[in-house]
Amino acid sequence: DAKTTQPNSMESNEEEPVHLPCNHSTISGTDYIHWYRQLPSQGPEYVIHGLTSNVNNRMASLAIAEDRKSSTLILHRATLRDAAVYYCILVREGTGRRALTFGSGTRLQVQP
Amino acid sequence: SQTIHQWPATLVQPVGSPLSLECTVEGTSNPNLYWYRQAAGRGLQLLFYSVGIGQISSEVPQNLSASRPQDRQFILSSKKLLLSDSGFYLCAWSVGHSSNQPQHFGDGTRLSIL
Repeated sequence: DAKTTQPNSMESNEEEPVHLPCNHSTISGTDYIHWYRQLPSQGPEYVIHGLTSNVNNRMASLAIAEDRKSSTLILHRATLRDAAVYYCILVREGTGRRALTFGSGTRLQVQP
Repeated sequence: SQTIHQWPATLVQPVGSPLSLECTVEGTSNPNLYWYRQAAGRGLQLLFYSVGIGQISSEVPQNLSASRPQDRQFILSSKKLLLSDSGFYLCAWSVGHSSNQPQHFGDGTRLSIL
């Protein structure tokens, strides 16, 4: 499976935008980019996913580089509730493989 | 809207005792269902997944079993728990046949074996 690389931690101030980067230089054409986040003592929460085009939903935006070797999760206005570990993973279409494999992710701290 | 319920939230069990964790999904039909374990400080390990009633696939050999007696009910069981079964157990669901579909997780059960 293609791997992703994320910074170990990031800090943000409340009400400010946050850009969480992810590198995936060995991504293949059938790999979708998924983002999940996990708050302490809770299950992971799906955030957003995309293939080639930028995506927006009520939680966040996903900006995908033209060569698809990197992507950025954008939280438009960080809140204290956004403090979590954010995971960027690649999910390959058509393999039937079901398991989500999380790396170490980026721990986002949000300061009031 | 769809919701997923897992219970109990925490459980402390002695070695050798049986286990039954239950997961139910509401607001969707024929979901794909998953059981994961997340050990402390480690990633997710897929234990079982199911694409329909009575259809269970096991990802890793282990001391646990799973059953799906109803469309939106998924049960994780063990006849005799081991110390190594401690961990954070997560149930998840997704829709569609594509492996690309997002998975939606419950709040988990934290299992401690004494």
